[in-house]
Amino acid sequence: NAGVMQNPRHLVRRRGQEARLRCSPMKGHSHVYWYRQLPEEGLKFMVYLQKENIIDESGMPKERFSAEFPKEGPSILRIQQVVRGDSAAYFCASSIYAQGVEAFFGQGTRLTVV
Amino acid sequence: GQQLNQSPQSMFIQEGEDVSMNCTSSSIFNTWLWYKQDPGEGPVLLIALYKAGELTSNGRLTAQFGITRKDSFLNISASIPSDVGIYFCAGPLMDSSYKLIFGSGTRLLVRP
Repeated sequence: NAGVMQNPRHLVRRRGQEARLRCSPMKGHSHVYWYRQLPEEGLKFMVYLQKENIIDESGMPKERFSAEFPKEGPSILRIQQVVRGDSAAYFCASSIYAQGVEAFFGQGTRLTVV
Repeated sequence: GQQLNQSPQSMFIQEGEDVSMNCTSSSIFNTWLWYKQDPGEGPVLLIALYKAGELTSNGRLTAQFGITRKDSFLNISASIPSDVGIYFCAGPLMDSSYKLIFGSGTRLLVRP
């Protein structure tokens, strides 16, 4: 049973470009969470999605950031017009039940904006 | 808002030594989680605590849920080189069962 798969593992974007981060949850998991980790800090909650629904996006910046979890395919975190401050590790987690406590994390995507 | 304070921030230890780290908050938590993050990887759940006073072990790791529900402790016995990494405490925010808040981590460095 594969774990949470994130790709790409590393992503370099120039300022102003778009970044698309993908997350395939564990098999049977329908709840997906995205977290951001800045260097030397803990993870910070961004958004919680179920299939085709955004449940809670209170941790996500209002502009340039969006997330989706379509009926088919991976969850996508999209950052438009990236800026240097977006450089961070972005982690996805998934769970069977609607609580992040039993969530499993992926290996993350490290975004570098140059 | 709720915050988690971890100490120490980092520590060097000699292989074979026992390690203690803690996590405190001014707010009450109903669940305490301890994760380990290796360089370039995602966090891996080590121990979950669900009841005040609970003491739970996972191999050489032991964690306790403080009686006041405002703190938790993680102990590692007989440390080995593969214990190197960052240890995070975390817990769900009071208004949510799924939104985890993380401490800033304790970085463990082992001298072989």
